[in-house]
Amino acid sequence: QSVLTQPPSTSGSPGQSVTMSCSGSSSNIEINYVYWYQQFTGTAPKLLIYRNDQRPSGVPDRFSGSKSGTSASLTIRGLRSEDEADYYCSAWDDNLGGQWLFGGGTKLTVL
Amino acid sequence: QLQLQESGPGLVKPSETLSLTCSVSGGSISSGSFYWGWIRQSPGQALEWIGHFSYNGNTYYSPSLRSRLTISVDRSMNQVSMSLTSVTAADTAVYYCVRGSGSGVAYWGQGTLVTVSS
Repeated sequence: QSVLTQPPSTSGSPGQSVTMSCSGSSSNIEINYVYWYQQFTGTAPKLLIYRNDQRPSGVPDRFSGSKSGTSASLTIRGLRSEDEADYYCSAWDDNLGGQWLFGGGTKLTVL
Repeated sequence: QLQLQESGPGLVKPSETLSLTCSVSGGSISSGSFYWGWIRQSPGQALEWIGHFSYNGNTYYSPSLRSRLTISVDRSMNQVSMSLTSVTAADTAVYYCVRGSGSGVAYWGQGTLVTVSS
């Protein structure tokens, strides 16, 4: 069971915006950076957002991240069919000597 | 361009040891403020961090795997390896070799599927 909690699924129509959440705790999200990864079926994940709200080069500005307290969120504006994928949040957790945590992932369906 | 390539047996028997190697090309594992490690994903499941070797010389392991796991680096071969003992069917997964930093895990290998079965 993932310590970072994500809704298992969400959906939206092309052109719309969707926001997916990631809930953690005082030992991870509240005090450390949050990262987001996008994964298409059968491929390795891709870094989408780092340090809460930073986009790597090449990631469209339709993707944005934010963090508040023990939760974080990923927003995708102007949904496109090619955005249909699994999205994972991740954060370092300071407990038990330190470990990277991943959320359970949110499956985005573009209707 | 940095490339990571996992290699190892695709099938391991229960109770045996799973050993994987990651060959790094296009960059040195000895340079930069990076960590080199492993992430796995069981079929249909979420990503799970296994552990990593940090540029500062420290090695970090998942608490749930620590008693069975060893991660090492061979700087001369530019390789990162992992060894997981006493495997069970629950260890069946795609194993990814990764390079990360404070800016996230920007580099992933293509992944290698390891099945634990007799």
